[in-house]
Amino acid sequence: GQQVMQIPQYQHVQEGEDFTTYCNSSTTLSNIQWYKQRPGGHPVFLIQLVKSGEVKKQKRLTFQFGEAKKNSSLHITATQTTDVGTYFCAGEYSSASKIIFGSGTRLSIRP
Amino acid sequence: GAVVSQHPSWVICKSGTSVKIECRSLDFQATTMFWYRQFPKQSLMLMATSNEGSKATYEQGVEKDKFLINHASLTLSTLTVTSAHPEDSSFYICSAYEEGRANVFEQFFGPGTRLTVL
Repeated sequence: GQQVMQIPQYQHVQEGEDFTTYCNSSTTLSNIQWYKQRPGGHPVFLIQLVKSGEVKKQKRLTFQFGEAKKNSSLHITATQTTDVGTYFCAGEYSSASKIIFGSGTRLSIRP
Repeated sequence: GAVVSQHPSWVICKSGTSVKIECRSLDFQATTMFWYRQFPKQSLMLMATSNEGSKATYEQGVEKDKFLINHASLTLSTLTVTSAHPEDSSFYICSAYEEGRANVFEQFFGPGTRLTVL
């Protein structure tokens, strides 16, 4: 079945270090989305990637979508304590249909 | 951005009772809503796709007779957990997207409902 794998499960970094989480799908995606969930909160949409090889940036966050549209990554440069939370990728296999969430990567930061 | 509300935000019930959770899109119409459950420190698991005016589509392994979904209007979907048991205790989250936003698909999540079954 359709599955989205995400690694690592946890990442503990020193403030100022970089952070990357990776997602991989078993089959080609229509698009991939990234969400951030703070402890006790609900997922908040960050971005959607649609095109093969697409790269998008939001300040210190860089999102990439693989050429084959099966994998994606989120990279945070120089982490800050406000970046703490769980980052989920979510793959959509056809336009505007259900999405399948990755298992999430929980980011914690040492001040 | 668009707002999705959920009610109640938390509920505690006795085993065997039924609980209804409402999901509303406040400033847009949502022909499709999604229901997820999330166990502590785990990912969101899609339970079902709620379609306005038609039957919901349930994911494999989700009992449709236990988790009743009704999408009666373009702004409201309800999830009823029937004969709840302690193993149904979880965080239930709904989401919706706006029709017509073809260029950027953004799914808006409700704040979630924490269900505890004693």
